[in-house]
This record gives sequence, structure tokens and C-alpha cells, in this order.
Amino acid sequence: GAVVSQHPSRVICKSGTSVKIECRSLDFQATTMFWYRQFPKQSLMLMATSNEGSKATYEQGVEKDKFLINHASLTLSTLTVTSAHPEDSSFYICSASSGVNSPLHFGNGTRLTVT
Amino acid sequence: EDQVTQSPEALRLQEGESSSLNCSYTVSGLRGLFWYRQDPGKGPEFLFTLYSAGEEKEKERLKATLTKKESFLHITAPKPEDSATYLCAANAGNNRKLIWGLGTSLAVNP
Repeated sequence: GAVVSQHPSRVICKSGTSVKIECRSLDFQATTMFWYRQFPKQSLMLMATSNEGSKATYEQGVEKDKFLINHASLTLSTLTVTSAHPEDSSFYICSASSGVNSPLHFGNGTRLTVT
Repeated sequence: EDQVTQSPEALRLQEGESSSLNCSYTVSGLRGLFWYRQDPGKGPEFLFTLYSAGEEKEKERLKATLTKKESFLHITAPKPEDSATYLCAANAGNNRKLIWGLGTSLAVNP
């Protein structure tokens, strides 16, 4: 149980275009999902908390207009990287918990490369 | 400041050579210490949650323990398929406040 699916696993886009990443909880409902970014040899960095039916909460230093988050249902959150630039190239991972006292389960991540 | 430190940064073992990974934490109001395994190009895979000092959990060749200052992940008779990066994270209040270590990269040679 507690499976999180993330799509796509890899995406290459040109500078200036937008990319959407989907995160789905397959066998549980998640009122809250989390979006992380990971650089090589670095720790997971929380970008934002996605709340179903309300606005996402962004961490300090994360541009909300660049990283648009929509939590349309209890099983789906999307992250859209708008007007992507090469510095946005990274590994993006979503996660969700099936309950307050349950651990986070992660998707398999999306490798974004902006050329 | 809440902090999680993992050591060693990298570890190379021979198959069957048992060892331990360390996760030291300074977190006010710990509400759970998590261990994850991450394979290259994949998201972290949940292994264990520990809540209180003295607690231990086991899964196959892995055993996680917790004290008031640190957690250990013991690997008994590892196999090459145990090669991965092992991450620990401390919950300082709610899941949003997970404090992550940098991980230990484990390589097990056949």
C-alpha cells in the first residue's frame, strides 16, 4: 500500500517553455502532498506543500510564480515549471502521507533537463 | 537550529561484512526519525520510523535503533543489492518539517 506515482520520469524541454509534472497517490487519499527538489550529492529540499482545495505553501526562496502547484483532487497534485531555464534543471520528487502519523511515501522523481 | 548529520558519507563493504550507519540529530520535539533507501534516479523508499529512544525495528538484513541523540542503521551480512544511498530524516513537528541528512552512499562488493 501507500504507492505514489509520478509522471513523467524524464523530460527535456527548451528554455522558455513550461513543463507539468503529475503526482498521484494510487491507493490512498492525500489532503497534503509535498514537492521536493534534489541536487546531486545534496539533501532533499522541500519546495512547497500542496494542499487539496487551497493554495500551496511555498518555502522561503521558492518562486511561487515559477513553480505553480495545483492540488485538484485528493489523489492528484501537479507542479508546473513555467518559463523554464537551464538553472531549473534538477530532480523533482513528490511525496504524500496517508495520515498524520504515517511516513511520507515518495514518487520515483522527474529528471528535468532544460536546454 | 534543527540538524541531521549522517556518517560516514560513503561506505564500501564486502558482501557479508556487517556494519552500521550513523544518523545524529539535534531536533527539538522529535516526532519521529525516518530511514529511507534511495537508488540512483529514483525517489526515496521508506524503510523505518522510530519514535522513542530504545526503539528498534528490523526488516530483512536491516535493523534501525534510536537513542536520544542518534540513530543507527545496522546492516547484517549485506548483499550487493543493498547498495544504495541511505537517508535519515527527523520530524520536528509535522511531516512538513522533515529535516534531512545528506545520506550515506553504501556500496557492497560481491
